[in-house]
Amino acid sequence: DQQVKQNSPSLSVQEGRISILNCDYTNSMFDYFLWYKKYPAEGPTFLISISSIKDKNEDGRFTVFLNKSAKHLSLHIVPSQPGDSAVYFCAANTNAGKSTFGDGTTLTVKP
Amino acid sequence: EPEVTQTPSHQVTQMGQEVILRCVPISNHLYFYWYRQILGQKVEFLVSFYNNEISEKSEIFDDQFSVERPDGSNFTLKIRSTKLEDSAMYFCASTQRGLSTEAFFGQGTRLTVV
Repeated sequence: DQQVKQNSPSLSVQEGRISILNCDYTNSMFDYFLWYKKYPAEGPTFLISISSIKDKNEDGRFTVFLNKSAKHLSLHIVPSQPGDSAVYFCAANTNAGKSTFGDGTTLTVKP
Repeated sequence: EPEVTQTPSHQVTQMGQEVILRCVPISNHLYFYWYRQILGQKVEFLVSFYNNEISEKSEIFDDQFSVERPDGSNFTLKIRSTKLEDSAMYFCASTQRGLSTEAFFGQGTRLTVV
């Protein structure tokens, strides 16, 4: 039972355009949702998070949207930069301390 | 900038042997975690640890695994009787206030079981 899914394994966008990464979940008990960026042979790096009681959180070029009725969240990066090229994971956490990651989406930003 | 450090960066072990992966979390963090990522697969949660006890664990974290905070700085993952399928990157992470806040991850230990 895959509780957190990122249905797009890869995404390619042009520099300066918007990147939209999507994530769907099935468990209504998740309390927090986070996005991480990961380079090969490195640990994930936190990008942005959102509480289940909110529907939007913005931090610079990164905005996360949460649609609880659809059990869907998305990460918007605008404008996209070549340095944003990496694997992006969404993670859903419970208050009890359990974290579930999606499969990841490989973002390529072309100059 | 404070960081989570993990040692060793790469560990090769024979099947059936025990390994201990070590982590030094960020000093003022109170919550500690282990994750693993099998090559080409997703990052999987193993266990969370707070106040010297396990808070949550996944189905993966069976009796073969154990965690310990032997002193004020280290946080270890022990894998007994390793199997080939235990080969993966193991990531340690820590947070200040549980999983409502960002987790800081270490660089990982690549475990290869031969």
